[in-house]
Formats: sequence, C-alpha cells, structure tokens
Amino acid sequence: NAGVMQNPRHLVRRRGQEARLRCSPMKGHSHVYWYRQLPEEGLKFMVYLQKENIIDESGMPKERFSAEFPKEGPSILRIQQVVRGDSAAYFCASSPDSLSNQPQHFGDGTRLSIL
Amino acid sequence: QQPVQSPQAVILREGEDAVINCSSSKALYSVHWYRQKHGEAPVFLMILLKGGEQKGHEKISASFNEKKQQSSLYLTASQLSYSGTYFCGTEGSGGSNYKLTFGKGTLLTVNP
Repeated sequence: NAGVMQNPRHLVRRRGQEARLRCSPMKGHSHVYWYRQLPEEGLKFMVYLQKENIIDESGMPKERFSAEFPKEGPSILRIQQVVRGDSAAYFCASSPDSLSNQPQHFGDGTRLSIL
Repeated sequence: QQPVQSPQAVILREGEDAVINCSSSKALYSVHWYRQKHGEAPVFLMILLKGGEQKGHEKISASFNEKKQQSSLYLTASQLSYSGTYFCGTEGSGGSNYKLTFGKGTLLTVNP
C-alpha cells in the first residue's frame, strides 16, 4: 500500500534541540502539504510544496521552522531550537495536483513532544 | 477564517441519523470532509465543489450551499465504525485547493 508515509510516529526532544519530520507522498503525487494539529483543534495549514519549490509557506512561523521537498527523497519539516509550544501532531498530506477536485491524502502524523 | 462546525459533539445509538454543519463567513469554492479517529490520520470522505451538488459515500452524503456558504454532512443509519471526529476543510473562492482551512471538528460517538 503506497499511502503517505510519515516518520517518526513519535518524537521526543528537549528544549533547544532540533526536530526533523519526514514525509514521503503517495506514489505519483508531487504536491505536499504540512499541517499542525493541537489537541481538540482542527488542522492548521503550514506550508505547501512541490518538488524543489516552496509554493506557500504563509502558515509557517518565520523563525525556527523550515520545509523542503528535494528532487530525490522525502519532504522534511525542520524545527530548530524547539520550545514547549511546538508540542503537537504534525500531519503531512499529498495530492497529484492542486486542483479543487483532488483530495489531499494524509499520513498518520508525527507526534512531537518537547520536554 | 476558520469555518464553524456544529454541533461540537453528538452521541448516537447505532442506526440513528446525524447532521453535521459547516459554515463559513467567506465565499467558498469547495468543501472537503474528513473523518479522524483518535491517534490516526484524517481519512478523506468527499469533496463538494461550487454548484450546490450533493454527493454520497455509502450511507454518508453531503450538500453544499454556496450562497449561504454552508455545507452539511448527513450520516444515516449510523454504524459503530462512524465514530470519530469529522472535519470540514474549506477552500476560498478562486480555486486551488492547497490552502484548506479546517474547522475545529465534530466529535461523533456511536454506541451499540
């Protein structure tokens, strides 16, 4: 089953460390989206990427957060110098294109805990 | 702006029906519905595009009233497997679905 693969499923970091979250889109999908979810909240858009390009990063904090989707390999969401407020579930989704009739398919998420 | 979902939570007995609403303050191009079980990925249910169409997925259907900027999800003859949190994601007018804005969700519990 070639669904959206995210790893790790759980990640624990101490304040000040770096967190790297990986996402491999579904086969044939070249559009990747990252969302953040807090308990009892909906998903909040962070960034939209196509291969080698960041299309929209308006939902991502300008400091400490970065994302990439290289030509080869998974998309990476990187959080530097993590703080307690970064604790959340981070979901990645993919789609074959960005047309409105195409669903975004989600991975199982990475649950980030900051000690 | 974040769409408003109602109710926030609903409890059903197996076989009962439910309606979940999603309202936006801005013009919409499409509405996407997802169901998420605790600790799992959101699972796509359906997309409704501008045009007021109604779509169905097993015993789950939905409508989209673009003039009222509202969508409703209808669950009929609920099953235990329907339990979970339902989210609507809205796309503003102009197309290009990448920037979905999700509501806070409706927690549906189906009891035997």
